[in-house]
Amino acid sequence: NAGVTQTPKFRILKIGQSMTLQCTQDMNHNYMYWYRQDPGMGLKLIYYSVGAGITDKGEVPNGYNVSRSTTEDFPLRLELAAPSQTSVYFCASNIQGAGNNSPLHFGNGTRLTVT
Amino acid sequence: TQLLEQSPQFLSIQEGENLTVYCNSSSVFSSLQWYRQEPGEGPVLLVTVVTGGEVKKLKRLTFQFGDARKDSSLHITAAQPGDTGLYLCAGVPTGTASKLTFGTGTRLQVTL
Repeated sequence: NAGVTQTPKFRILKIGQSMTLQCTQDMNHNYMYWYRQDPGMGLKLIYYSVGAGITDKGEVPNGYNVSRSTTEDFPLRLELAAPSQTSVYFCASNIQGAGNNSPLHFGNGTRLTVT
Repeated sequence: TQLLEQSPQFLSIQEGENLTVYCNSSSVFSSLQWYRQEPGEGPVLLVTVVTGGEVKKLKRLTFQFGDARKDSSLHITAAQPGDTGLYLCAGVPTGTASKLTFGTGTRLQVTL
């Protein structure tokens, strides 16, 4: 099993450009999440999904969009990149929701710089 | 406003020393999880504590959940260089949806 796979590992964007961060998992997990990690700030939840076709906002959703057309894939879209979106982005999944103490499985992250 | 505050933020110690990391909140949590993150990788779960007052041990790591389920601590005995990393606590506040909230993190460096 590959677990949670994120691509690309690194990306540099100019202000106003758009891109999609890819995330796929092969564990048949229903729940998937996108977090961003800024230095000294822990992880902030951007969006999450409880199953195919269902998504919901987290703490910091502005400037991002997601879709969940299949159980495996949960892409994160940035439409108009801004310097404030410079961060490391982590995708994660678990078999049940966090309220059931189900551990999160993380990808290795995408480091995004917007200049 | 950060729901889960960790202290200290940074810790640099020598091999063989003991240390404690704290995770505090004014909110009650149904459970708390501890993760360790190494550079260039995602966090990896170490333990989940569920019951107020619960103590769990993982080799040289001891985790405790506060009686009121508002705080937790991680104690490492005889730290080793392999313990180096970012330690994150995370939890779901009672009465909220299944969205895990992470603490601010404690960066630990253990040198020879």
